[in-house]
Amino acid sequence: GENVEQHPSTLSVQEGDSAVIKCTYSDSASNYFPWYKQELGKGPQLIIDIRSNVGEKKDQRIAVTLNKTAKHFSLHITETQPEDSAVYFCAPSSDQTGANNLFFGTGTRLTVIP
Amino acid sequence: DTEVTQTPKHLVMGMTNKKSLKCEQHMGHRAMYWYKQKAKKPPELMFVYSYEKLSINESVPSRFSPECPNSSLLNLHLHALQPEDSALYLCASSPNRGINTEAFFGQGTRLTVV
Repeated sequence: GENVEQHPSTLSVQEGDSAVIKCTYSDSASNYFPWYKQELGKGPQLIIDIRSNVGEKKDQRIAVTLNKTAKHFSLHITETQPEDSAVYFCAPSSDQTGANNLFFGTGTRLTVIP
Repeated sequence: DTEVTQTPKHLVMGMTNKKSLKCEQHMGHRAMYWYKQKAKKPPELMFVYSYEKLSINESVPSRFSPECPNSSLLNLHLHALQPEDSALYLCASSPNRGINTEAFFGQGTRLTVV
């Protein structure tokens, strides 16, 4: 699998502020870039994804930006709310194998302080 | 129905026991996955089934034995486990149409080996 790192590993923000999490990957063949949110006691859930033919995608308070040349993509959360507190994982992959062989990043624990 | 259902939710077993974890989805997905997640770590890929055939085994010890009886079911048979195998075991599924898309995760089975 590819080498995937996330920064920061922990992030605390005040409610209403923005949060940014960066994911760096090594496999230049990667063409699918999802972000998953894992709440306590639950499995990961997709919150946003992007493919390599676009540079940015937005869904309400959540956005993902991609820099394929530098091999990193970032999760942006604006107007953070306490329910955004969770662990966030990136999981870049390529279509070459025909199935999502999801190798997760190291994870970022986000805490939103009310 | 976008659910992946895992049973049991919790399992305590001795090192000489044999037990099985079960996973079910009715989304018509043809790829199914087992992941192991230790506390404060990302999920680690164990096995991938594609069209009911084992396509990926990430060097998992033989005391873990996967089985895919049909396109909706995935089992993980456990035998002679060690205490270090205690973890959250997550099942996931995805469409497997040759293009990577969202993977849907179950809530996991919390396994404790005593």
